Amino acid sequence: DAKTTQPNSMESNEEEPVHLPCNHSTISGTDYIHWYRQLPSQGPEYVIHGLTSNVNNRMASLAIAEDRKSSTLILHRATLRDAAVYYCILRDPFQGAQKLVFGQGTRLTINP
Amino acid sequence: ETGVTQTPRHLVMGMTNKKSLKCEQHLGHNAMYWYKQSAKKPLELMFVYSLEERVENNSVPSRFSPECPNSSHLFLHLHTLQPEDSALYLCASSPDRGYNEQFFGPGTRLTVL
Repeated sequence: DAKTTQPNSMESNEEEPVHLPCNHSTISGTDYIHWYRQLPSQGPEYVIHGLTSNVNNRMASLAIAEDRKSSTLILHRATLRDAAVYYCILRDPFQGAQKLVFGQGTRLTINP
Repeated sequence: ETGVTQTPRHLVMGMTNKKSLKCEQHLGHNAMYWYKQSAKKPLELMFVYSLEERVENNSVPSRFSPECPNSSHLFLHLHTLQPEDSALYLCASSPDRGYNEQFFGPGTRLTVL
């Protein structure tokens, strides 16, 4: 499985945008980029995924570099509820059974 | 609420005990998964079931025995566990095993004494 690299922790303020980076220099052409987050005392929660183009949904935006070696998860206006560990995961849908390989993720702290 | 429930939420057991973890999904999904999350380690996939058939066993010791009697229920039977097996055990489901999004339950916090 291709590896991702994320900062261990980040801090931001409430109501400000947050940009969470992820490096994946060994990404293959068929790997999708997935983001999940895990709030305290809960299981992981799907946030967004993409292949090449930038993606938007109600939770966040995903900006993918042109060479696909990095991506950024954007929370447009952080709230206290966004404090969580954010995981960037690569997955090849042609590998058969879906296998999410989680790294250590980025622990995001939101200050009031 | 994700539609995936797990019971019990907390479990303490001795090394000689036998216990079972239960997962139930109300989403009509065909694929179900067990993950293990130890302190200071990333989530690790343990087992994958698709249409009640085990399709992946991620080199898990035999003291963990999964069971999927139907597409809505998944069990993890535990016996002669070790203290290092203490962890958060998470269940997830997806419409099928190729689907992009997995829905996770809240987990069972297991402590082995």
